[in-house]
Formats: sequence, C-alpha cells, structure tokens
Amino acid sequence: DVKVTQSSRYLVKRTGEKVFLECVQDMDHENMFWYRQDPGLGLRLIYFSYDVKMKEKGDIPEGYSVSREKKERFSLILESASTNQTSMYLCASSRLQYEQYFGPGTRLTVT
Amino acid sequence: QQQVKQSPQSLIVQKGGISIINCAYENTAFDYFPWYQQFPGKGPALLIAIRPDVSEKKEGRFTISFNKSAKQFSLHIMDSQPGDSATYFCAASSVSGGYNKLIFGAGTRLAVHP
Repeated sequence: DVKVTQSSRYLVKRTGEKVFLECVQDMDHENMFWYRQDPGLGLRLIYFSYDVKMKEKGDIPEGYSVSREKKERFSLILESASTNQTSMYLCASSRLQYEQYFGPGTRLTVT
Repeated sequence: QQQVKQSPQSLIVQKGGISIINCAYENTAFDYFPWYQQFPGKGPALLIAIRPDVSEKKEGRFTISFNKSAKQFSLHIMDSQPGDSATYFCAASSVSGGYNKLIFGAGTRLAVHP
C-alpha cells in the first residue's frame, strides 16, 4: 500500500522560529511536492522536486525553502516563521505528474 | 490568479440525490483534468480523471463531463451517500518551465444528509 508520511500532524511555533516539515514516501517516486491548503484557496504549490538534489519553485515559494538529499525524503523549511504561514501543509509524491499521492498533512500554527 | 475556478464552495445533498460540482479554466494548454477527494484529517486522493479528447468518463457512481469548447468540466455523483461527504478538488495539469504541474480549484465541501 502506497504511503506518504509527514513528521507531525500538528505543530505550534513562534514567530521568527526556523521550522522543518519532513515528508517521507515509500513508493520510490521520483517526484515530490509541497502544497499549502487554505480555505477558499484550494491547494497551492510551494516547491517541487523531480529528482534528488533538484528543486523548483512553485507558485508561492516566498518564505520557504526545501531540501531533498535522498529520493524518499523531501523537507520544507520555513526560515523565519511568520503568522501568515499558519496553514495546513501537504506533501505529495508521484511517478506520473497528475497521480499524486498525498500525506495526511501538518497543521502549522505560528503565534 | 486562480486558473481553475470551482463552484459551489459548499453543497448539501440528500441521500440518493445527484451532487454536481463545476469547474472552469482558461488555459487551453491544460491537458489532463483530475478530481481529488479529501476526507477530514486525510490528504486528498485521486478520484477520477479525464483528458480533453473525451467528453465523458464514468467510474461507478462518479462521472466527469467535459466541454472543451466552453472550457468547463464537472463532477457528477449519482445516488449520493453520506460516505461521499468530503471536500472535492478539481485540478488541471499544465507544463510550466518544462515541468508538469497540477493547478487546483478552491474546493467544494459536500455534505450528504441521510
């Protein structure tokens, strides 16, 4: 059974903290994605990666960075968390671009 | 700038009724249109998908209707059940900078009442 796991379901951080969100997939997929989900805005792509050590900016990359040192792991980094980054963060992986498998999400609150 | 517009934002249907969710797009370069279903506490999961050279695709109680000339597509859930209560996202696949990306609609929260 395909599986995408995210390190935390809920996270509370303070403004200015550095935040790491981890994502691991066990399907040997080349492609991995980070989205944020906000009510009324759907899912918006933050960053994606089509290979190890490779990353590309999505539609809303400002304030975020990513790391992909191993094929199965894709990390999202908030260098200095701000309150407007309070959101649900979803990681996904795929072999085919449109058949993305999502993790359960991390609800991040920045106070 | 939202490239895929989804409506309605929320929908209430009685058990056994038909649920209809609509999406519209502008970019004619989109070449694949999937629908994702998300239950509370879970990530979205691929439900059904269609290519623009097909006008309709049916999988069980779920049907996608596609109107290429109008740049619209819709999801129909026949004989809706309380277990169908979820948030539904339409999406469109495009190539940008040499890479395929999914553009998601804003989502529709469906509640099916018994």
